[in-house]
Amino acid sequence: GNSVTQMEGPVTLSEEAFLTINCTYTATGYPSLFWYVQYPGEGLQLLLKATKADDKGSNKGFEATYRKETTSFHLEKGSVQVSDSAVYFCALSDSGGSNYKLTFGKGTLLTVNP
Amino acid sequence: DAGITQSPRHKVTETGTPVTLRCHQTENHRYMYWYRQDPGHGLRLIHYSYGVKDTDKGEVSDGYSVSRSKTEDFLLTLESATSSQTSVYFCAISLGQGTFDTQYFGPGTRLTVL
Repeated sequence: GNSVTQMEGPVTLSEEAFLTINCTYTATGYPSLFWYVQYPGEGLQLLLKATKADDKGSNKGFEATYRKETTSFHLEKGSVQVSDSAVYFCALSDSGGSNYKLTFGKGTLLTVNP
Repeated sequence: DAGITQSPRHKVTETGTPVTLRCHQTENHRYMYWYRQDPGHGLRLIHYSYGVKDTDKGEVSDGYSVSRSKTEDFLLTLESATSSQTSVYFCAISLGQGTFDTQYFGPGTRLTVL
């Protein structure tokens, strides 16, 4: 079955530091890959997505590249801000007749200090 | 904003009582989902719906039932609540129609079972 493994947190960085959150996956078929972000007390928001190999998703300074050869979708940001403090979830969807179900990783808590 | 609301937003109940959570959407999306979020587990799918009266189980469906009698509402029922069902519950919708497997989430319901 499908699974997503992302790096365990928590991750604590200083403002303007470089961020990487690792995500690897196991899937049948050709999944789409997602990063969602959850700010304190809120629901999940889509951060970025990629639907095929070598696609790069980007949003709000965050980027992730769909690497089929390494089954990875690592999230990066060049300079984090305090406002980026949140929980980040990697997820995949194998849309081949699966009713668009998502499989999530366990989440990584990021804290950015001023 | 995908027009998703959840009610109630917070609920405290006692073991053995029935509980119903409501998810309401305003945009006639076909696919709807219920997840629970627990520390160390990320989000796990409870049940989902692919149309009115069409529902199926997710990975953690034991102790839960759902109903969808109209497009806009997806109800999650705990027939006899247990302390292990203390969690944050999120509803999501998918735009479907091949664009897309992107899911959009409601604000969540925090349920405490004493």
